[in-house]
Amino acid sequence: NAGVTQTPKFRILKIGQSMTLQCTQDMNHNYMYWYRQDPGMGLKLIYYSVGAGITDKGEVPNGYNVSRSTTEDFPLRLELAAPSQTSVYFCASSWDPNRGFNEQFFGPGTRLTVL
Amino acid sequence: AQKVTQAQTEISVVEKEDVTLDCVYETRDTTYYLFWYKQPPSGELVFLIRRNSFDEQNEISGRYSWNFQKSTSSFNFTITASQVVDSAVYFCALSTNTGANSKLTFGKGITLSVRP
Repeated sequence: NAGVTQTPKFRILKIGQSMTLQCTQDMNHNYMYWYRQDPGMGLKLIYYSVGAGITDKGEVPNGYNVSRSTTEDFPLRLELAAPSQTSVYFCASSWDPNRGFNEQFFGPGTRLTVL
Repeated sequence: AQKVTQAQTEISVVEKEDVTLDCVYETRDTTYYLFWYKQPPSGELVFLIRRNSFDEQNEISGRYSWNFQKSTSSFNFTITASQVVDSAVYFCALSTNTGANSKLTFGKGITLSVRP
């Protein structure tokens, strides 16, 4: 199993550009998450999904959109990139927490710089 | 609302020293889970341990040990005989088992540097 994969690993965007961060997991996990990590601030939840077709906002959703058309994929979309979105983005997945919480498995991260 | 506080921001030790990383949490839920993750310089997040609120037994795994005390809302992590490879950022995290709201709340992390 590859676990959770993310592409790209690095990206530089100009202000106002858009892009999609890809996330795929092959563990058949129901739950998927997007976090951003800013220096010295820990990880903050952007969006999460409890299954295909179901998504919900996390702590810092503004400026982002997500979709979940399949169990495996959970892309994160930035429509109008802003310097405040410069960060490292992590995708994660887990089993259904309602059945006894299991740890979240994280992808390797995408380092995004908006200039 | 839930909160995780890691008051230590940076710790530097010499190899073979023992070091304890502190974690204090806040939640109103009676069922919750606590986690520690390690983020080495390569950047990935590595799961270390999960503990649920009904299990206060301490746990030891090799050089790692965890002390969970509900009375003080703490879940501290001790590395015995530290090694250079332990150098990383360590995150404590909390999740409450409340269905769709079972999300991880992370502390800000502790940067541990182990010098040879």
